Amino acid sequence: GESVGLHLPTLSVQEGDNSIINCAYSNSASDYFIWYKQESGKGPQFIIDIRSNMDKRQGQRVTVLLNKTVKHLSLQIAATQPGDSAVYFCAENRSSNYKLTFGKGTLLTVNP
Amino acid sequence: GAVVSQHPSRVICKSGTSVKIECRSLDFQATTMFWYRQFPKQSLMLMATSNEGSKATYEQGVEKDKFLINHASLTLSTLTVTSAHPEDSSFYICSARDGRVAQSQYFGPGTRLTVL
Repeated sequence: GESVGLHLPTLSVQEGDNSIINCAYSNSASDYFIWYKQESGKGPQFIIDIRSNMDKRQGQRVTVLLNKTVKHLSLQIAATQPGDSAVYFCAENRSSNYKLTFGKGTLLTVNP
Repeated sequence: GAVVSQHPSRVICKSGTSVKIECRSLDFQATTMFWYRQFPKQSLMLMATSNEGSKATYEQGVEKDKFLINHASLTLSTLTVTSAHPEDSSFYICSARDGRVAQSQYFGPGTRLTVL
């Protein structure tokens, strides 16, 4: 079936470095994408979203890039901090259907 | 704003008993709520979609008689795990959609269920 997946299950970076987390999706009908951060034992926390009519969107220290040609999504975190350590999930849906499909998740570990 | 709560946050029960988990939208009306299950080190898997005043829609492979969902008001949905077994032990997370905000979905803090 169609799914959203991630290339890297774990990522370890040094504090202050930039982090890039990748996600591949296969549903060409998806038109809305979201990145979530999940800390241990907690629910997902919204980070940033992007619609399919855009290829880049920036937030505070985070940037999401969308490449529809190759169905690829990435999350860039600038100046990564220990508090950024968590599991990051991408999710996708179609505007006609509010159901979210989550990717496998990437565990980001920030070393001080 | 846009706060979703879940109760209880943690529950331990004996095999064969039923457990009810509540999901509340605290400052908005949720036309739709979603229930997810997450096993350790895995992603969130959608179990069912709950619409206020109507029957829930279950995803393929999710037993509706096992996981009873009630969405009696615009701010409350409940998930009852009936005759729970150890394999039902998981992290259950709800989310709620604010119909006034396009494609919004706000997540609750989750409920850790342990079935002995």
